[in-house]
Amino acid sequence: NAGVTQTPKFRILKIGQSMTLQCTQDMNHNYMYWYRQDPGMGLKLIYYSVGAGITDKGEVPNGYNVSRSTTEDFPLRLELAAPSQTSVYFCASSYYPGGGSSYEQYFGPGTRLTVT
Amino acid sequence: TQLLEQSPQFLSIQEGENLTVYCNSSSVFSSLQWYRQEPGEGPVLLVTVVTGGEVKKLKRLTFQFGDARKDSSLHITAAQPGDTGLYLCAGPLKTSYDKVIFGPGTSLSVIP
Repeated sequence: NAGVTQTPKFRILKIGQSMTLQCTQDMNHNYMYWYRQDPGMGLKLIYYSVGAGITDKGEVPNGYNVSRSTTEDFPLRLELAAPSQTSVYFCASSYYPGGGSSYEQYFGPGTRLTVT
Repeated sequence: TQLLEQSPQFLSIQEGENLTVYCNSSSVFSSLQWYRQEPGEGPVLLVTVVTGGEVKKLKRLTFQFGDARKDSSLHITAAQPGDTGLYLCAGPLKTSYDKVIFGPGTSLSVIP
């Protein structure tokens, strides 16, 4: 299994440009997430999905959009890129192992985005 | 609002030393998780602690969940350069257990 894969690994955008960050998982997990990570700030949830066709906003959704047409894919769309969107973006999928535990998250390798 | 704080923010130690990093909150969590993130990679789950007072060991790493389930610690014995990375704690939101919040992390550097 490849786990969670993300493309591209690096990208430089000019202000106002748009792009889509791709995310695919092959673990048949229903739950998928998009986070951004800024230095010293931990991971902030942008959007998440509990299954195909269902998405919801997280903590920092402004400037982003998502779709979930299949269980495997969860692309993140940036419209009108701004310097504040310079960050490292991580996609994750998760499942519930049971026994009173928490959802265990599996992360992709990340996309480093710079907006200039 | 549930928040997780971690200390110290940065830690640089020599190979072979012991260390402890902390994760604290004013809120009660049903469970806490610890992830390790190596440079240029995504976080990887190390452990989940569920019961207050629980202790779990993973080779040289010892994880403890506080009795009141508001805090957790990670102790590393005889640190190795391979332990270098960002250590993140995370816990599920009370309002939505399928989402977690993350602490800001402790950046550990182990010098050979």
